[in-house]
Amino acid sequence: AQTIHQWPVAEIKAVGSPLSLGCTIKGKSSPNLYWYWQATGGTLQQLFYSITVGQVESVVQLNLSASRPKDDQFILSTEKLLLSHSGFYLCAWSRTEDTQYFGPGTRLLVL
Amino acid sequence: AQKVTQTQTSISVMEKTTVTMDCVYETQDSSYFLFWYKQTASGEIVFLIRQDSYKKENATVGHYSLNFQKPKSSIGLIITATQIEDSAVYFCAMREGGTQVVGQLTFGRGTRLQVYA
Repeated sequence: AQTIHQWPVAEIKAVGSPLSLGCTIKGKSSPNLYWYWQATGGTLQQLFYSITVGQVESVVQLNLSASRPKDDQFILSTEKLLLSHSGFYLCAWSRTEDTQYFGPGTRLLVL
Repeated sequence: AQKVTQTQTSISVMEKTTVTMDCVYETQDSSYFLFWYKQTASGEIVFLIRQDSYKKENATVGHYSLNFQKPKSSIGLIITATQIEDSAVYFCAMREGGTQVVGQLTFGRGTRLQVYA
């Protein structure tokens, strides 16, 4: 069975500080991977997707970047956090373009 | 551009009853895929059920079923015999078959379901 992990579980960060969020999927080779963001009480917005190692496409520009250094790993980062980056970050995976399954998420509060 | 609309912000029902949550979508594609997810109080997002546009039969999984009305661009989620643990926020989502963005899911704003004893 496939499992998806995200780290950290939660973060409190200062405006202007760097950020790195991680996602790992086990039990599935060459998955499609996705990053989503959800404002408190809001809907989900897809940020990035990746279909293979080293290849990441941006869907929405939020002063964030993403990388896929390994087949099973997806990283979301920024060098300077903004207040507007606060929210819930979710990683998801799918087989090619099939149904997407979500990880447990990381809560981020920027102060 | 694709769009998903959930007009019901919140629904409250007694347990063991049936509830229907509405969702309408907009797309120019002839091929598309519709999904329902639920978000629990912990934030976990769980896939529930999907309907592929080319399938005429309504999908059913456990006590979840769909009311797919293609001419009305509508995909309602029906939960029968609701339980307290069904309390969550339910999101409708759509993926167009011809999108250039791989796996681009567009979500509705969600409907909060409260099931009480």
